[in-house]
Amino acid sequence: DGGITQSPKYLFRKEGQNVTLSCEQNLNHDAMYWYRQDPGQGLRLIYYSQIVNDFQKGDIAEGYSVSREKKESFPLTVTSAQKNPTAFYLCASSKLGGDKKNGYTFGSGTRLTVV
Amino acid sequence: AQKVTQAQTEISVVEKEDVTLDCVYETRDTTYYLFWYKQPPSGELVFLIRRNSFDEQNEISGRYSWNFQKSTSSFNFTITASQVVDSAVYFCALSGLSYNTDKLIFGTGTRLQVFP
Repeated sequence: DGGITQSPKYLFRKEGQNVTLSCEQNLNHDAMYWYRQDPGQGLRLIYYSQIVNDFQKGDIAEGYSVSREKKESFPLTVTSAQKNPTAFYLCASSKLGGDKKNGYTFGSGTRLTVV
Repeated sequence: AQKVTQAQTEISVVEKEDVTLDCVYETRDTTYYLFWYKQPPSGELVFLIRRNSFDEQNEISGRYSWNFQKSTSSFNFTITASQVVDSAVYFCALSGLSYNTDKLIFGTGTRLQVFP
């Protein structure tokens, strides 16, 4: 079955460490997205990519980095520059433009905690 | 710029009451999509509905109904005869189709608590 796989489900990070969250999709979607959700808050866009080897900053990109070397994969690195990384991270994918018949597909999320 | 506003932070109702969740959006695109998602405590997002800006027909799906009014830039969601299982956070979201707006922007969500 097609879908998005995020791993790990839970991640603990020591202060000062970089960590990478994985996101893989087998839906042949062009675009992929990363969102951050803080407790009791909405989802804010971190980065998105509409094509391989290209990506754009969202509303809260500072302290994060991404890569899009393959269409299927869009890993997110939370760097030590991100001062408050504890949050729930969701990855999503979609077709581009008017082909939104199936909307956006979301992964099950990664809960990152700084210890 | 695109923006979605969900003014109701939290709503509490008693089972079997009807409840309406408000959503107001802003966009310069003439063609866009509007969505509603449900987020139960597990955290996963559950897709509820997608509406194209050209289609202003209201939609009903079981106890759920949606009222799309382009004139007021609103896309409200009503649950009829609410049930405890409806307790969740509900998000309204907007996606344009141009290069800079082809991304999903969320409102801050409305937490619905349905008490028995």
